[in-house]
Amino acid sequence: DAMVIQNPRYQVTQFGKPVTLSCSQTLNHNVMYWYQQKSSQAPKLLFHYYDKDFNNEADTPDNFQSRRPNTSFCFLDIRSPGLGDAAMYLCAAAPLARTDTQYFGPGTRLTVL
Amino acid sequence: QQPVQSPQAVILREGEDAVINCSSSKALYSVHWYRQKHGEAPVFLMILLKGGEQKGHEKISASFNEKKQQSSLYLTASQLSYSGTYFCGTQDYGQNFVFGPGTRLSVLP
Repeated sequence: DAMVIQNPRYQVTQFGKPVTLSCSQTLNHNVMYWYQQKSSQAPKLLFHYYDKDFNNEADTPDNFQSRRPNTSFCFLDIRSPGLGDAAMYLCAAAPLARTDTQYFGPGTRLTVL
Repeated sequence: QQPVQSPQAVILREGEDAVINCSSSKALYSVHWYRQKHGEAPVFLMILLKGGEQKGHEKISASFNEKKQQSSLYLTASQLSYSGTYFCGTQDYGQNFVFGPGTRLSVLP
């Protein structure tokens, strides 16, 4: 049974055209994370939500925003995608922020043309 | 601040052992270990919460030296399925979580 679901799995957008990636979880976990992962690099944390509390990493560009309308869903909005934003975007859920397993979704691979 | 992992890459024959190290310049609350296969999402292996803690998962185990701010992942009698990139993730006391750069492990028949 899928626990963290990401849609779409592959997304193609044009330079400068806003795009939204979605994530949902059936785990009812409090914490949700968005990561950006480029080829041969570690996942880089963009944001995390502890329940409704939003935490933005200091070096996350303003071009990236996030919404969490309820426990189950979380969205990543890229307002004006640049070529450098092409990457795999991973969503994860965890019961608590500090001490628990992060369950990752399969990721959305974003291509910017 | 991103932890340091060593080695960057390692090639093993099936049945051989390997150690992957992770060290941080910051005091650590916990260390997490994940494995990621090519084209897939990271998969949780284990979390170490206390200094001196050791955990095992089949033939994969880890230790956490809180004083030295480092953790080691031990893979014994490696199997082909162990191939992938291993990431440590460190959580400091300020709730900042960051993955290390990864160690690419290749197990050959």
